[in-house]
Amino acid sequence: GENVEQHPSTLSVQEGDSAVIKCTYSDSASNYFPWYKQELGKRPQLIIDIRSNVGEKKDQRIAVTLNKTAKHFSLHITETQPEDSAVYFCAARNTGANSKLTFGKGITLSVRP
Amino acid sequence: DVKVTQSSRYLVKRTGEKVFLECVQDMDHENMFWYRQDPGLGLRLIYFSYDVKMKEKGDIPEGYSVSREKKERFSLILESASTNQTSMYLCASSWTGISYEQYFGPGTRLTVT
Repeated sequence: GENVEQHPSTLSVQEGDSAVIKCTYSDSASNYFPWYKQELGKRPQLIIDIRSNVGEKKDQRIAVTLNKTAKHFSLHITETQPEDSAVYFCAARNTGANSKLTFGKGITLSVRP
Repeated sequence: DVKVTQSSRYLVKRTGEKVFLECVQDMDHENMFWYRQDPGLGLRLIYFSYDVKMKEKGDIPEGYSVSREKKERFSLILESASTNQTSMYLCASSWTGISYEQYFGPGTRLTVT
């Protein structure tokens, strides 16, 4: 089955700096890669996703890049703000998985004011 | 606005008790999921269902069962609760084929003593 790994497990940045979170996946048949954000005490929510036919997608301060050859994808957050502090989960889905997502273990991002 | 609700936010049960966790969604989603979330282990899939009365095992189904008698409701059952099932349980739902976004419920913090 699919295996998704996230690196690093924690990340601390200064407010205003950029943050990059990387994920690798194992199944070359995976074709959909979402990122979820979970603030403390709240439910995970989708913030951005990318499909395998696209190399990059942007939405305001966040972007996701996908490298299918290397089987990794990354979340980029620019001009970080304290409200970006949260746990971020990457995930992958393949076509034969009945809409099932395989999640990484999550990374805790701390933005220092 | 998608709404996924769970029957309890906090639950305390004794070892050996039968425990029911219920999840209801109001968006006519075909797919429903049960995850458990533990620190450092991310979101691990217990069971999912892609149609009424259909179910598939996830990554950690041992000690759990599920029931989906109606499209909007998905129940997680712990037949005989054990202390190692103390965890946060998250329900989620999604459409098939339109979007793969999973909408999460608020979670149930279960403590087994």
